[in-house]
Amino acid sequence: GAGVSQSPSNKVTEKGKDVELRCDPISGHTALYWYRQSLGQGLEFLIYFQGNSAPDKSGLPSDRFSAERTGGSVSTLTIQRTQQEDSAVYLCASSLASRTMNTEAFFGQGTRLTVV
Amino acid sequence: DAKTTQPTSMDCAEGRAANLPCNHSTISGNEYVYWYRQIHSQGPQYIIHGLKNNETNEMASLIITEDRKSSTLILPHATLRDTAVYYCIVRVVNDYKLSFGAGTTVTVRA
Repeated sequence: GAGVSQSPSNKVTEKGKDVELRCDPISGHTALYWYRQSLGQGLEFLIYFQGNSAPDKSGLPSDRFSAERTGGSVSTLTIQRTQQEDSAVYLCASSLASRTMNTEAFFGQGTRLTVV
Repeated sequence: DAKTTQPTSMDCAEGRAANLPCNHSTISGNEYVYWYRQIHSQGPQYIIHGLKNNETNEMASLIITEDRKSSTLILPHATLRDTAVYYCIVRVVNDYKLSFGAGTTVTVRA
């Protein structure tokens, strides 16, 4: 089947505007992650969803960032009042998971966000 | 605190085996070793993982020392398309977070 799909692939927005980034995980995968990668930097964990459990939001950098996952499938990452430091590649990943194990994560191609 | 240590960069000749080392001297008994790679402008790609036995798949082999304090990822016949940043990660099997360090930038040269 298809891999993790993210849209848009590129997004340019003006400072202060809100943006929504979408992730379609691999069908059947119960876990979904968001990471971001600033230019030349490593991956930074943002948020994790697993089934019906409360998401782990510990990596969200500020309250301008939020994410939801509807119906246990598609996820949307929203950034309000974007700032230039929000410019980065936002990566989504999914995996099969249970309470006792978590398989390897498969990543999408990312959304490159540029705030001007 | 970094759980793994990898060389910053390495070069490899096309067609030769690439051996990528990783030190994880503080690894716990229930932590697995995972390898991912990230080709320029793409999302990370899973390569292989193991606990204590050596593992092989269609992409690579993973050799883990008996004391589990280090491991080596082997790309048996490197191609130019293997040029990427390679990340060695240790994590407990039911832990969801992947902590990516700086990785090793591997450049395969013709």
